Amino acid sequence: NAGVTQTPKFQVLKTGQSMTLQCAQDMNHEYMSWYRQDPGMGLRLIHYSVGAGITDQGEVPNGYNVSRSTTEDFPLRLLSAAPSQTSVYFCASSYQPNQPQHFGDGTRLSIL
Amino acid sequence: QKEVEQDPGPLSVPEGAIVSLNCTYSNSAFQYFMWYRQYSRKGPELLMYTYSSGNKEDGRFTAQVDKSSKYISLFIRDSQPSDSATYLCAMSFTGNQFYFGTGTSLTVIP
Repeated sequence: NAGVTQTPKFQVLKTGQSMTLQCAQDMNHEYMSWYRQDPGMGLRLIHYSVGAGITDQGEVPNGYNVSRSTTEDFPLRLLSAAPSQTSVYFCASSYQPNQPQHFGDGTRLSIL
Repeated sequence: QKEVEQDPGPLSVPEGAIVSLNCTYSNSAFQYFMWYRQYSRKGPELLMYTYSSGNKEDGRFTAQVDKSSKYISLFIRDSQPSDSATYLCAMSFTGNQFYFGTGTSLTVIP
């Protein structure tokens, strides 16, 4: 009964490096999303997907790419890491877009 | 102006107290309202989910939505030390995008 699994849990990058944050869910949810959580800013939506092959931008998409080739997986790619992308990243999923989401435990990312 | 405003606290109450947490919002089109609880270094977990206006009760938790005032509340009765966490409100109109408050930090003192 894994739910939403995020890997890695922690990561330190240098400015300009790229990396992929992994997210997988085993609940057959159609809707998946990525948020970043910063002090005083709350959770802000980066990208979301309403099904395999369909993605769209959220509130803060710049510097991030996503793809959804399967129902289970929704990776988030940082193209060229910047210190402003230091944050805690959460992946979430739900059966339908307007239903409450299940969250993973986050990836803590520091960019030096 | 943020879509959703939430007092960050921190809020500290004695065990057994009634806790009131609140959010205000600016977009009258919001229809879906949620409260999440987040423990330190964990992801948010759903507490309450309501559609449109009215009240919903689940055990010690009651969620209220007042759309005329653009105001939602979460009440916790008989608060316990295990309720110590950050509480996040969230809302949506299309359902594709949720807007979160910044969270209120709650400590329940034994």
